Amino acid sequence: DAKTTQPPSMDCAEGRAANLPCNHSTISGNEYVYWYRQIHSQGPQYIIHGLKNNETNEMASLIITEDRKSSTLILPHATLRDTAVYYCIVRAGDDYKLSFGAGTTVTVRA
Amino acid sequence: DAGVIQSPRHEVTEMGQEVTLRCKPISGHNSLFWYRQTMMRGLELLIYFNNNVPIDDSGMPEDRFSAKMPNASFSTLKIQPSEPRDSAVYFCASSLRDGLENEQYFGPGTRLTVT
Repeated sequence: DAKTTQPPSMDCAEGRAANLPCNHSTISGNEYVYWYRQIHSQGPQYIIHGLKNNETNEMASLIITEDRKSSTLILPHATLRDTAVYYCIVRAGDDYKLSFGAGTTVTVRA
Repeated sequence: DAGVIQSPRHEVTEMGQEVTLRCKPISGHNSLFWYRQTMMRGLELLIYFNNNVPIDDSGMPEDRFSAKMPNASFSTLKIQPSEPRDSAVYFCASSLRDGLENEQYFGPGTRLTVT
């Protein structure tokens, strides 16, 4: 059973912020939200993860709602190289498994 | 660091032949994962090693598949005999810690075609 729900696709303009939503209404207290992406013909790439606080790194920001039932990945200034499939994954902190769903295909357009 | 290294990048073989895929994890990482990606099934975990020991092989599709990790810097995934339905991209990934917040780093993959 799917733990996360993501839109199948979205477009965004180069240079603009891309906001990728993810619903995880059944998330447990010990589960983290992870984001990976997969650029065409490459292996998945770790982006960011969080438990309940908002997180930011050099690639993106992760905003998690207070009830933790949804989150948003923000790419602050999308470039053409950000075109990829983005996966939102919920995983317990001590669980080694990453269960990849269908993800969101993000296309950045010039 | 060079990241996770996989070889070969592409493999084309005939049905019935033995195929060996190779992986070198990131130095210092103690967990290693083999995944398979197809259009139909997406990304699936095949097997997970921790400290060179197989912990979970429940994703290995059948006895034709086997994986080994003889040391901390090398792993193989072998298919014998190969079948056309094994055609897929096989990824190796490694992580630093077993457990809490251990993000996985993936290699570039091996694209396998079995004719």
